[in-house]
Amino acid sequence: VQLVESGGGFVKPGESLRLSCAASGFPFNDAWMTWVRQTPGKGLEWVGHIKKKSDGGAAEYAAPVKGRFSISRDDSKSSLSLEMSSLRSEDTGVYYCTTHFPPESWGQGTMVTVSS
Amino acid sequence: DIQVTQSPSSLSASVGDRVTITCRASQGIRSDLVWYQQKPGKAPRRLIYAASTLQWGVPSRFSGSGSGSGTEFTLTISNLQPEDFATYYCLQHNSSPLFGGGTKVEIK
Repeated sequence: VQLVESGGGFVKPGESLRLSCAASGFPFNDAWMTWVRQTPGKGLEWVGHIKKKSDGGAAEYAAPVKGRFSISRDDSKSSLSLEMSSLRSEDTGVYYCTTHFPPESWGQGTMVTVSS
Repeated sequence: DIQVTQSPSSLSASVGDRVTITCRASQGIRSDLVWYQQKPGKAPRRLIYAASTLQWGVPSRFSGSGSGSGTEFTLTISNLQPEDFATYYCLQHNSSPLFGGGTKVEIK
């Protein structure tokens, strides 16, 4: 299993950012996928997960990000995305792409910094 | 929401010791609990899932258990090894998933 996150960076409060995760080594279309973040303020935090299409393909989100973040998947490319908008300073942290729910295998993470 | 209290937040132990870490849920969560190990600068690694099932490839000195009420869970490391010094987290995924605050296992 290999998960490679990308797209992290430095943004100002209120701005948007899109994270991507390239997956390989397992049947991506048959896996629920999860985003987890690790922030200085709250430690490890579940961000949300997305079901496989055969289970409906819906996503669920943690309360602090609901309405601002959106998870999507492209099974044809074995790719997972996290679209983040209206970013806040408390969203600063390392974002991990993980297989399954609850998380099993983890990527190396990508850093997001939200600061003015 | 179900709250998770992990204890202790840190402990000091020696190689060869037996170490116990506890997570308490504010209400019953059946066996919907996972344990992770994280080393500095690395992503977490799953050790135990479904409260007591050892992840493939994880040494058998790691074990997990849960109470019948589904509110108290324990991670035990028997015969602590140098590579086990790390931070350990539990995750309840019964509803609105929540990680514990972590337990840092340090060398005495």
